[in-house]
Amino acid sequence: AQSVTQLDSQVPVFEEAPVELRCNYSSSVSVYLFWYVQYPNQGLQLLLKYLSGSTLVKGINGFEAEFNKSQTSFHLRKPSVHISDTAEYFCAVSDLLTGGFKTIFGAGTRLFVKA
Amino acid sequence: GAVVSQHPSWVICKSGTSVKIECRSLDFQATTMFWYRQFPKQSLMLMATSNEGSKATYEQGVEKDKFLINHASLTLSTLTVTSAHPEDSSFYICSATPDRRANYGYTFGSGTRLTVV
Repeated sequence: AQSVTQLDSQVPVFEEAPVELRCNYSSSVSVYLFWYVQYPNQGLQLLLKYLSGSTLVKGINGFEAEFNKSQTSFHLRKPSVHISDTAEYFCAVSDLLTGGFKTIFGAGTRLFVKA
Repeated sequence: GAVVSQHPSWVICKSGTSVKIECRSLDFQATTMFWYRQFPKQSLMLMATSNEGSKATYEQGVEKDKFLINHASLTLSTLTVTSAHPEDSSFYICSATPDRRANYGYTFGSGTRLTVV
């Protein structure tokens, strides 16, 4: 069965500093990988996704993620964060065995950007 | 881009009453919609997969009779929490995709905060 592990529940960082949010998954088949952001009392917004091809994926708001098949990781990075990036971030995986249909979410990482 | 509208954004109801939450895809047809429940500071737990014109597929442990899902059209799915109790208080989120395949990524509604008193 698939699982998604977000290694850090909370990540505090100063404004304009770089940040990495870690995500590892377990799946025996090929997968699609996603990062979503959730602001308080709102739904989720897709940041970026990896389907195939280049392992470095660029998304909205200056975020990027790198797919590492050997390490089964899909870490999210941003070179310089803003206060407005404070939010909850979810890594998610869909496996191709189910046609990529069912998506499993990680527990989330709370990014807190300090001035 | 794909937009999903969810209403109401928040609702307070008395214990024992039923509450209906609507999820609409505004600019695309969604053969399939998904309903999630999110507890404070936790991830999303998939409750059920809503299929247009057929019965919903519920995840293990989700009570079908308590969480009634109807997907009568390609743009509307509803979740009714029947005989609500305080333990049903939660944040409910729907999502949809224009394509059955997940490679589109899902578009999420803004969520509904349900408080049962």
